[in-house]
Amino acid sequence: DTEVTQTPKHLVMGMTNKKSLKCEQHMGHRAMYWYKQKAKKPPELMFVYSYEKLSINESVPSRFSPECPNSSLLNLHLHALQPEDSALYLCASSQNPRETQYFGPGTRLLVL
Amino acid sequence: AQKITQTQPGMFVQEKEAVTLDCTYDTSDPSYGLFWYKQPSSGEMIFLIYQGSYDQQNATEGRYSLNFQKARKSANLVISASQLGDSAMYFCAMREGALTGGGNKLTFGTGTQLKVEL
Repeated sequence: DTEVTQTPKHLVMGMTNKKSLKCEQHMGHRAMYWYKQKAKKPPELMFVYSYEKLSINESVPSRFSPECPNSSLLNLHLHALQPEDSALYLCASSQNPRETQYFGPGTRLLVL
Repeated sequence: AQKITQTQPGMFVQEKEAVTLDCTYDTSDPSYGLFWYKQPSSGEMIFLIYQGSYDQQNATEGRYSLNFQKARKSANLVISASQLGDSAMYFCAMREGALTGGGNKLTFGTGTQLKVEL
């Protein structure tokens, strides 16, 4: 089973709102990732958690705040976003950072 | 220099025909991995196939095969017997190891939009 789930599927938020994206996997994977993808572009890595510790932060603005409460869950807290943050946000997981990454279906975010 | 290059922004193929999607890469790390992902319009990135730099044989997974030419630094995806459901964006990606400071991150190419026609 290579399933990664993400909620919500769609999210519309204003620039003053606070919201969270959720990602879950039950494959026993110890590495989890957040990517941002704009239309017709490849995914861009935002954060990597390895064994529940943040190992990579690709200079993402502080209005994006990741959290890994346990080895199965990954959250992305959003606050005071800008319209240019509208994108598809993809979560992925892998056995460890060297193994194949499996992606979730994504959350389509629109910031008004 | 681009680490992953996909030179075909769009491709058309007739149903039941084979199609090759090009990917070239650039790395000085002797240990690396190459991946192909499929992304339908729904958005999910679907893992298709993996080739390790030390693998002697080309990877195959059902109708997908990876034509790995190490000296040319190319890792083309071949889809045999195309189906309408193969219409999607296809991304080639590379994972470098610690030697180049890549931190095991995936670097994606710009993608190829494949359209399968009747």
